[in-house]
Amino acid sequence: KAGVTQTPRYLIKTRGQQVTLSCSPISGHRSVSWYQQTPGQGLQFLFEYFSETQRNKGNFPGRFSGRQFSNSRSEMNVSTLELGDSALYLCASSFGQGTTNEKLFFGSGTQLSVL
Amino acid sequence: GDSVTQMEGPVTLSEEAFLTINCTYTATGYPSLFWYVQYPGEGLQLLLKATKADDKGSNKGFEATYRKETTSFHLEKGSVQVSDSAVYFCALSGVAGGFKTIFGAGTRLFVKA
Repeated sequence: KAGVTQTPRYLIKTRGQQVTLSCSPISGHRSVSWYQQTPGQGLQFLFEYFSETQRNKGNFPGRFSGRQFSNSRSEMNVSTLELGDSALYLCASSFGQGTTNEKLFFGSGTQLSVL
Repeated sequence: GDSVTQMEGPVTLSEEAFLTINCTYTATGYPSLFWYVQYPGEGLQLLLKATKADDKGSNKGFEATYRKETTSFHLEKGSVQVSDSAVYFCALSGVAGGFKTIFGAGTRLFVKA
C-alpha cells in the first residue's frame, strides 16, 4: 500500500511569488492535514480537510489556503511569499472518522526555501 | 488553549544509557496522547499512543504512561541505541475543536556509540 506522497520534494521561490504544494493520501483515507515545521516552532497546524470540506484551521494568515479534491488529494497554496514562510511543509492523512485515538500517516514533506 | 510542552533538546546520550523525554499537556476534556518520531529526511511516524488515564503505550522498547493527575506523558527507554537518534514529538488529539492533532516543539536525541 503506497504511503502519503508529497510533491515536489524541494522548492525554491523568491519573495512575492506564490507556490502550490500537493499531497496524495493513503488509499482509503479521507482526511488530509497540513503542518508547517520550522526549527524554532516545531509543527504548527495549518488546516484539515475531510471529503472536500475544511473542518479545522490553524492560526495562519489568509495567504495560506488549501483545498481537497473528490479523490481526497489535497493542495496547499501560499501566496505573496515571505522569507518567514521558509519551512518544511508536512501533509498527513487518516481515515478522518473523528475517533480520538486515530493516528496520522505523514509524507516526507516539501522543503520550501524563500529567497 | 490546548497545548503540549516538551523538554528542550538536544539530548545527547551514550549507547545503552537510560532515556527520559518529558512531556506535559494542557487540554480541555480527555485527549488521546501520542509520541511520534522523525528520522532524518523523513516525515513523522507514530511511535506509541495512549487513549485514557493510566494507559501505558509501548513500542520498540519505548514506553510512556498517561498521567492525568500530573497531565504528563513522559517517554522512556531503558537502553538507547545509535539508531534511536531522531526527533521525538509529543502530541494530543481529541480535544475541543477536534479534527486536529497538536504537537509539541520536538526534542532532538543524539546517541553516541
